[in-house]
Amino acid sequence: GIQVEQSPPDLILQEGANSTLRCNFSDSVNNLQWFHQNPWGQLINLFYIPSGTKQNGRLSATTVATERYSLLYISSSQTTDSGVYFCAVVLRETSGSRLTFGEGTQLTVNP
Amino acid sequence: GAVVSQHPSWVICKSGTSVKIECRSLDFQATTMFWYRQFPKQSLMLMATSNEGSKATYEQGVEKDKFLINHASLTLSTLTVTSAHPEDSSFYICSARNLLNRGLWDTQYFGPGTRLTVL
Repeated sequence: GIQVEQSPPDLILQEGANSTLRCNFSDSVNNLQWFHQNPWGQLINLFYIPSGTKQNGRLSATTVATERYSLLYISSSQTTDSGVYFCAVVLRETSGSRLTFGEGTQLTVNP
Repeated sequence: GAVVSQHPSWVICKSGTSVKIECRSLDFQATTMFWYRQFPKQSLMLMATSNEGSKATYEQGVEKDKFLINHASLTLSTLTVTSAHPEDSSFYICSARNLLNRGLWDTQYFGPGTRLTVL
């Protein structure tokens, strides 16, 4: 089946620093989403980005579908950015919306 | 918009009892809902896909007789963990797919999760 690999697995930053999270996937995808899981477990949609670039405030994401990777950029990080960031994809050949999640990147932003 | 709720947010039960978890889409209709399980420090694993008015589709290795899913309306799906045991303790999360976004290019919206502890 499709494999989704995220890196790095853990990341510790000082407040104000910038970071880049990466998601590699093994097959063509119809859908790619980035999520932030806060310390209480809630998954928050960050981006729906099967291709191209999007920006939302301090966050931006780029997916290069032909090269099978996506990047999530966090600028001027804040302590509230802490949590786990997941990349999830839907395989192109499936007819539904079955998401396959990566293992996540645990981000800790220290004051 | 696109709010999904779950109830209860946490539950503690004795081994051998059954627990029902509700997942509701509050401001949209969802023909398809999904149930995931997440163990500590791990990723989300899809358990089953719930379609309104039809039987759920279970992932390989998930016991359909143990995890009963009912999707009775376009805004409600329920997961019942039957005869729960300590190894069923986990964080259960549902998601819903917006009917209006049906097609290849759509997004899933996630509930806040239910933390189940079986003693």
